[in-house]
Amino acid sequence: SQTIHQWPATLVQPVGSPLSLECTVEGTSNPNLYWYRQAAGRGLQLLFYSVGIGQISSEVPQNLSASRPQDRQFILSSKKLLLSDSGFYLCAWRLQGTDTQYFGPGTRLTVL
Amino acid sequence: DAKTTQPPSMDCAEGRAANLPCNHSTISGNEYVYWYRQIHSQGPQYIIHGLKNNETNEMASLIITEDRKSSTLILPHATLRDTAVYYCIVRPNTGTASKLTFGTGTRLQVTL
Repeated sequence: SQTIHQWPATLVQPVGSPLSLECTVEGTSNPNLYWYRQAAGRGLQLLFYSVGIGQISSEVPQNLSASRPQDRQFILSSKKLLLSDSGFYLCAWRLQGTDTQYFGPGTRLTVL
Repeated sequence: DAKTTQPPSMDCAEGRAANLPCNHSTISGNEYVYWYRQIHSQGPQYIIHGLKNNETNEMASLIITEDRKSSTLILPHATLRDTAVYYCIVRPNTGTASKLTFGTGTRLQVTL
């Protein structure tokens, strides 16, 4: 069966520091991968999605970036965090040709 | 994606069936009804989806009205662990890399 992992689970970072969040999927090949952010009490905001290695689409302009160095690995990064980057970051995957997305456990980021 | 309307909150006694309604009066012919839930501080969890026939899996049943303008998610024997926010989403099953848009959902509280 397929599983999706995210780490770290929680993170507290100072403003201006770099960020690297990792997401990996097991048990499937060539998935579509997604990064979402959920601010407190708000809905999901799609940040990036990827249909293959090295292919990244950005949904909103921001100081975050994403990379997909391997088929089942998706990384969210920032060179300098802002206070507004605080939130719950969710990675999701989807089998190509289907429409159901499956989410990871999330990373709660607090920028101070 | 068609708009959905859900009650903001519901209570259910443990062991009883939880019936969560969703109105989607503007649904179009190629749009599916999806249900996800989000337990506090966790990633959203896929529950079930359907087009026009009723669906059942190990988690829940989905009843879609004949005109498809509304649906009900049924948790047959709710437990405390079913306490979560439940999201009803209507979208076409195109298999494209499109984002999921979650509304405010229904906060289900299961009580002893």
